[in-house]
Amino acid sequence: DTEVTQTPKHLVMGMTNKKSLKCEQHMGHRAMYWYKQKAKKPPELMFVYSYEKLSINESVPSRFSPECPNSSLLNLHLHALQPEDSALYLCASTTTGQVEQFFGPGTRLTVL
Amino acid sequence: SQQGEEDPQALSIQEGENATMNCSYKTSINNLQWYRQNSGRGLVHLILIRSNEREKHSGRLRVTLDTSKKSSSLLITASRAADTASYFCALWGVGGFKTIFGAGTRLFVKA
Repeated sequence: DTEVTQTPKHLVMGMTNKKSLKCEQHMGHRAMYWYKQKAKKPPELMFVYSYEKLSINESVPSRFSPECPNSSLLNLHLHALQPEDSALYLCASTTTGQVEQFFGPGTRLTVL
Repeated sequence: SQQGEEDPQALSIQEGENATMNCSYKTSINNLQWYRQNSGRGLVHLILIRSNEREKHSGRLRVTLDTSKKSSSLLITASRAADTASYFCALWGVGGFKTIFGAGTRLFVKA
């Protein structure tokens, strides 16, 4: 299985809602990433998990809360988001010692 | 900015023509990668070139790297309509163990 899956594909939420994005891979990769991508812009790194531990947090607001329950799963918990947080959220993974990232298809998030 | 800067921002060509995209950067890197993104989808890794390499080929793709000029180019030969996508260079080794993406070039190949 050489796929990274993300659910849901689309998510619409209000500013007072709490929701979660999910990412899963079964390639045995031990590094997983969350990116945020606005329209016609490059992906911006949010978080990096290495061996289930948070290793990089790119000064992301606390309304985004990542979680890595095991080596195959990565969640992004969302709470009290703002309309400007509307974007494509991409998950990626890499195997140890490699830099090539495998990306999921993304979750299109709209905050009303 | 550590981010790679790409040009052109957008490129429109006819099927069968070659497409060249350029990426310039400001800091030392360990390697440089190119990714493709179809509209609103995830990115797909195309090719990686290490800092001690000057040129790499993969199918219809040719990548060059000039570390003295801090620049790289991606050439797609004999383009097809299916090559229509955004192409990003990605720098690894800048500011730690993470990848920084360039601004991207949007390629449109007309059938």
